[in-house]
Amino acid sequence: EIVLTQSPGTLSLSPGERATLSCRASQSVNNNFVAWYRQQPGQAPRLLIYAASIRATGIPDRFSGSGSGTDFTLTISRLEPEDFALYYCQQYGNSRTFGQGTKVEI
Amino acid sequence: EVQLLESGGGLVQPGGTLRLSCAASGFSISAYAMGWVRQAPGKRLEWVSAISGSGGSLYYAASVEGRFTISRDNSKNTLHLQMTGLSAEETAIYYCVRDIGSVADHWGQGTLVTVSS
Repeated sequence: EIVLTQSPGTLSLSPGERATLSCRASQSVNNNFVAWYRQQPGQAPRLLIYAASIRATGIPDRFSGSGSGTDFTLTISRLEPEDFALYYCQQYGNSRTFGQGTKVEI
Repeated sequence: EVQLLESGGGLVQPGGTLRLSCAASGFSISAYAMGWVRQAPGKRLEWVSAISGSGGSLYYAASVEGRFTISRDNSKNTLHLQMTGLSAEETAIYYCVRDIGSVADHWGQGTLVTVSS
């Protein structure tokens, strides 16, 4: 099973700042099949990025994904109030597993 | 608008059985794979099960294989998850998701399953 480790555990930033979230896999992810989700308090997760770098429908361009092999990154160029939330990565290149999450807080 | 509405959660004793349902609207589930993802307190998300549009291909996490059964009723646009042999560690919010190539592109609001005596 591929284990995903997200870092940092918590990211303390201000609105308008740039956020960089990391997701490291225990082995190479086939086809770079990594997705990112945002979960706001009390809500279900929402898909942001799939296939490492493709934005899902309706996701603003301040969200971008990059990476390959075992190292993947989600970048939020300018944090909006709704972006202070939990973020999860998921790999689906070999079965399906999630990271433990990164909290972006003010 | 795509909507997924889960039902069937509640309190069940250890070793007990529960059946979850998910009513979909805004699209026809027959054209999509569907699945269930759970979120236990303090634990990472876990993709529990998935079923292809035709129902011919199934996925189960190792932790639930042999105890959970996923099924679909395309005529009612509904997804089900039959859960048996439940343990306290399976207390979680269970989300119904639309599965696009093993990515969850739409999520329901979830139904809480509590396993406790």
